[in-house]
Amino acid sequence: EAQVTQNPRYLITVTGKKLTVTCSQNMNHEYMSWYRQDPGLGLRQIYYSMNVEVTDKGDVPEGYKVSRKEKRNFPLILESPSPNQTSLYFCASSSTLGTGGVEQYFGPGTRLTVT
Amino acid sequence: AQSVTQLGSHVSVSEGALVLLRCNYSSSVPPYLFWYVQYPNQGLQLLLKYTSAATLVKGINGFEAEFKKSETSFHLTKPSAHMRDAAEYFCAVSEGGNNDMRFGAGTRLTVKP
Repeated sequence: EAQVTQNPRYLITVTGKKLTVTCSQNMNHEYMSWYRQDPGLGLRQIYYSMNVEVTDKGDVPEGYKVSRKEKRNFPLILESPSPNQTSLYFCASSSTLGTGGVEQYFGPGTRLTVT
Repeated sequence: AQSVTQLGSHVSVSEGALVLLRCNYSSSVPPYLFWYVQYPNQGLQLLLKYTSAATLVKGINGFEAEFKKSETSFHLTKPSAHMRDAAEYFCAVSEGGNNDMRFGAGTRLTVKP
């Protein structure tokens, strides 16, 4: 089954304790992306990757890091989490082929609470 | 830069009534437009997308949307709401690149029995 998986689904942590949220896709997609979802703000892009070893900042990258060492994986790293990073996080992937209007496939989400 | 405005953060309808969720976009080029649905505790799922082939787009679960260039709108409709339609709906716009998809703030649909 084609899917994007994220782990963990739920995480409660304390300020300053480094954490990693994993994301993996089995569709051989070149493009992967991380979003955060906050009430009233919709989804905002944190980082994206066009392919292996190619990453770039989205609209809200502060306080986050990513890496893309393998095509299928795109982990999100919070080196020193703060309470304002409490949010619902989504990983997404898509093919870079086609002429535009390419659908993104989303993971189930990770709800992060930083106290 | 492209953007999307969804009018109404909450919409409530009775079961069997018409569903209308509003989306207006801003784009400097002919856009690609999407509607995604998010059921509780799940990720986003594509409902339908407009890619310039036809202005009336039919999607899954009986939803459809009409692209109106003159009104810069892409409203989502369903003739008869069902309880299972209760979810959050996101409109999104892209100008063609993978990285440029922008989402609206979302509309939460409640369906009353």
